Amino acid sequence: NAGVTQTPKFRVLKTGQSMTLLCAQDMNHEYMYWYRQDPGMGLRLIHYSVGEGTTAKGEVPDGYNVSRLKKQNFLLGLESAAPSQTSVYFCASREVKRTSGKETQYFGPGTRLLVL
Amino acid sequence: SQKIEQNSEALNIQEGKTATLTCNYTNYSPAYLQWYRQDPGRGPVFLLLIRENEKEKRKERLKVTFDTTLKQSLFHITASQPADSATYLCALDMTGGFKTIFGAGTRLFVKA
Repeated sequence: NAGVTQTPKFRVLKTGQSMTLLCAQDMNHEYMYWYRQDPGMGLRLIHYSVGEGTTAKGEVPDGYNVSRLKKQNFLLGLESAAPSQTSVYFCASREVKRTSGKETQYFGPGTRLLVL
Repeated sequence: SQKIEQNSEALNIQEGKTATLTCNYTNYSPAYLQWYRQDPGRGPVFLLLIRENEKEKRKERLKVTFDTTLKQSLFHITASQPADSATYLCALDMTGGFKTIFGAGTRLFVKA
């Protein structure tokens, strides 16, 4: 049971380049999330998905797109990277039911992105 | 506006003492509140959850209190150890919501 995995671990981009971050979970969770974490600002939600084929905007969606073609995968795309997107990106997943023990989110190890 | 506030200043304590971290929120009515631990270079890891109708929750050396009138949660680590040094995040979930709102976290240093 790998839990939540993210690739790549680290990436350097030039302004204007594009890339895709991959998140995979093997816990059969319905909900998946993409966050960015910046110093002093905590985790901010970019996009989320409540099931295969569905996505929704979070708090800071501009400049990002997502897709959830398979239940276990959630992809985050940057079409034209900007220095303001330099951050650490975390993926997380959660079960649907808000019963005892099912509410918590499981996080991946993060992807560090530097945009020059 | 809606806010979650945690002490931005790091908390330094001596080994064996009790560490107390604070989480305050405004303009939210959370169904429950969670505490996560985050080590440098790693993703957050769940520690404890407390519901709106619970006053206190314990797990080993950890204790969480939740005061919905004060809009505050306190997170205690008793008999602290250097291995407890990390950043601790509080997080709110609303009734029927899909999203969790995270605070910025408080860094804890436990000196041997």
